[in-house]
Amino acid sequence: EAGVAQSPRYKIIEKRQSVAFWCNPISGHATLYWYQQILGQGPKLLIQFQNNGVVDDSQLPKDRFSAERLKGVDSTLKIQPAKLEDSAVYLCASYRSMGSTEAFFGQGTRLTVV
Amino acid sequence: QKEVEQNSGPLSVPEGAIASLNCTYSDRGSQSFFWYRQYSGKSPELIMSIYSNGDKEDGRFTAQLNKASQYVSLLIRDSQPSDSATYLCAVYNNNDMRFGAGTRLTVKP
Repeated sequence: EAGVAQSPRYKIIEKRQSVAFWCNPISGHATLYWYQQILGQGPKLLIQFQNNGVVDDSQLPKDRFSAERLKGVDSTLKIQPAKLEDSAVYLCASYRSMGSTEAFFGQGTRLTVV
Repeated sequence: QKEVEQNSGPLSVPEGAIASLNCTYSDRGSQSFFWYRQYSGKSPELIMSIYSNGDKEDGRFTAQLNKASQYVSLLIRDSQPSDSATYLCAVYNNNDMRFGAGTRLTVKP
């Protein structure tokens, strides 16, 4: 089966600019997570979707971050405006369903804010 | 605050030795435990999962879980240079998957 697709792979922006990341999960996977991984740290959950609904966004900095999964398939994560501390790898992971515990990760998008 | 703590390392072992990676967690309700391997610049990949107390072996890898001590470990026998990576401990409870910061392992030929 095809894996989780993410784009772009790399992005460099100036602080206060906007950026968007895209994720296409494995076909049929209902659950989708966005993680932020800062260099030297483990992945930190930002938001969890079940189909097109948000299950948990308690750790998403909502003043600048937003995410959507309108049709329950692809998802986009947006940062507006970006700060220097947003520099990280943004990982998308999909799970077969709620309660599934094996995460299938995409390659990630490495964001550098200068 | 639900915490997952790992030895930050780096851990260096000679080829053929046993590498021991440790993880503790704070959420007593945690149900499932995982070890992911992450090569530099790559995404994490699942290598072991464990759900009940005791040992679980898969090839050269053994995961050990002690829920009373809130402790999970990963042993890698006959370590190979290709095992050099960061190992992430992940703990799952009620749709919440938490990761540790990872331990960087280097296996020297």
